[in-house]
Amino acid sequence: DGGITQSPKYLFRKEGQNVTLSCEQNLNHDAMYWYRQDPGQGLRLIYYSQIVNDFQKGDIAEGYSVSREKKESFPLTVTSAQKNPTAFYLCASAFYERGVYNEQFFGPGTRLTVL
Amino acid sequence: GEDVEQSLFLSVREGDSSVINCTYTDSSSTYLYWYKQEPGAGLQLLTYIFSNMDMKQDQRLTVLLNKKDKHLSLRIADTQTGDSAIYFCAETSGGSYIPTFGRGTSLIVHP
Repeated sequence: DGGITQSPKYLFRKEGQNVTLSCEQNLNHDAMYWYRQDPGQGLRLIYYSQIVNDFQKGDIAEGYSVSREKKESFPLTVTSAQKNPTAFYLCASAFYERGVYNEQFFGPGTRLTVL
Repeated sequence: GEDVEQSLFLSVREGDSSVINCTYTDSSSTYLYWYKQEPGAGLQLLTYIFSNMDMKQDQRLTVLLNKKDKHLSLRIADTQTGDSAIYFCAETSGGSYIPTFGRGTSLIVHP
């Protein structure tokens, strides 16, 4: 089955620790994205990547870092510099076809709680 | 920047129709999407419409697009309790790979 997976589903972190959220897709999609969702806030874009070894900051990149070493994988690290990291994190991917990016497919999300 | 607006809440009775509205500002929008998010889950694409279409129907779902007014709506016929979720409107313009999302409309279906 093709799809996009995120792990873990729940993550607890102590203040001052870095944590890495995993995102993997086997859809052969070119673009991958990370969003943060807070209650009533909708989706806010953290980072995105069109191709391997290239990524760009989104609207709220401060305190986060990413890598794109493989087409299938786009891990997100939440660093200790992120002041309020408790949130629901969503990864998405999209296919590029005939000059257009198609709809995004979303993973199931990771809920990060800072203790 | 470009913007997508939705009302935050909608409450309907089971069996009634639901209409969720969305307005956008980007006149070059090419694709408009409706996503559904159930509690604790990711977003799931429900349907989409190209900007050169006025209407699209898919079983209980009807999407209407008024390009002149930049208004998009999603109608759910015979709404069921399983339709309770957050519904997001999103748009992209040609060539862009960054969709703009609305803040989502929470649909509450009560018996």
